[in-house]
Amino acid sequence: GAVVSQHPSRVICKSGTSVKIECRSLDFQATTMFWYRQFPKQSLMLMATSNEGSKATYEQGVEKDKFLINHASLTLSTLTVTSAHPEDSSFYICSAKTSGGFTDTQYFGPGTRLTVL
Amino acid sequence: AQTVTQSQPEMSVQEAETVTLSCTYDTSESDYYLFWYKQPPSRQMILVIRQEAYKQQNATENRFSVNFQKAAKSFSLKISDSQLGDAAMYFCAYMSYNQGGKLIFGQGTELSVKP
Repeated sequence: GAVVSQHPSRVICKSGTSVKIECRSLDFQATTMFWYRQFPKQSLMLMATSNEGSKATYEQGVEKDKFLINHASLTLSTLTVTSAHPEDSSFYICSAKTSGGFTDTQYFGPGTRLTVL
Repeated sequence: AQTVTQSQPEMSVQEAETVTLSCTYDTSESDYYLFWYKQPPSRQMILVIRQEAYKQQNATENRFSVNFQKAAKSFSLKISDSQLGDAAMYFCAYMSYNQGGKLIFGQGTELSVKP
């Protein structure tokens, strides 16, 4: 149980285009989803927290107009990188938290590698 | 603000031996959770073990156990009978009771296992 999927796993795009990454909880309802960014050999940096039906809460320094987050249902959150540039190239990971069971536990997706040319 | 520090960027252990990964944290809160996550080369984050701060007993999950020293704000991970599949990046993480489930990660320790 507690599986989280991400799609796509890899994406390459041209500079200036927008890219959408989906995060789905497959077998549970995720009241809260989180989006992280990870550079090679570094730790995970929290970008934003999204609750179903609410606006996302962004961490300091994260541009909310550049990284659009939508959490339209209890099983789906999307991250859209708008007008992507090479510096946005990174590994993006989502996680989901349920309201049942271990409510403190986050379940992570497999990540999406974004390369902006 | 809470911080998590892993002072060992890299560690190495012989197969079947025991290794301990260090983690310290800073917080003014009394109630919180602590976690160890494993990130293998696939980059899938895997929960290894969790500890609730109000519990004095150290958590154990098969070959993995923690040494939780609340007063010292220390949360080390011990891996016994190390296996080749244990090779990965290990992250220590802190979660407050009242910040909506946000995880604060340490810098990570890359563990290699020698056959």
